[in-house]
Amino acid sequence: QQPVQSPQAVILREGEDAVINCSSSKALYSVHWYRQKHGEAPVFLMILLKGGEQKGHEKISASFNEKKQQSSLYLTASQLSYSGTYFCGTGYNDYKLSFGAGTTVTVRA
Amino acid sequence: GAGVSQSPSNKVTEKGKDVELRCDPISGHTALYWYRQSLGQGLEFLIYFQGNSAPDKSGLPSDRFSAERTGGSVSTLTIQRTQQEDSAVYLCASSLQGRSYGYTFGSGTRLTVV
Repeated sequence: QQPVQSPQAVILREGEDAVINCSSSKALYSVHWYRQKHGEAPVFLMILLKGGEQKGHEKISASFNEKKQQSSLYLTASQLSYSGTYFCGTGYNDYKLSFGAGTTVTVRA
Repeated sequence: GAGVSQSPSNKVTEKGKDVELRCDPISGHTALYWYRQSLGQGLEFLIYFQGNSAPDKSGLPSDRFSAERTGGSVSTLTIQRTQQEDSAVYLCASSLQGRSYGYTFGSGTRLTVV
């Protein structure tokens, strides 16, 4: 049930855009996105729910295609602080998340 | 508390010894989760608590692993007779109950079995 993330890694220059994708083989209840910096705890970015509701803490954007069982996270006008590993967590019920292997984002000056 | 607190932050133990990892969740968060993260890997689900009960223990790798939660607050993950393959970062997270709430993770316990 582990979702598949792509790409595995991406290198950006400041100001560039990137898209991270998360695909599931099963119908999704919800999708969470987290960012983890080296040696730190994963930090919640956004949640997308079946039915279209979205909740997030930062100025990021994401989409959730229920039919395709996919979600995408959009990093726009990237900053150095965007560097880290991004994980999607897919929910198939109302409590447990299965996490993807992560996408490592490196933003260079 | 202000965040999820885990202790110890690092633990080195000899193969065959028992270890206890502690998690202190955010006050009021009834849902508590344990995940394991091996080097360069994603997060592997271990167990979920709703209050003091654990309706989903499906991720515990073997009967050497157990966990409990008391007072709807602190949780302890115990690994008996540790093996080298148990080496990983053990992350605890808490959240409000329901599907529309994000997790708050602790900084984890890095367990090394030598």
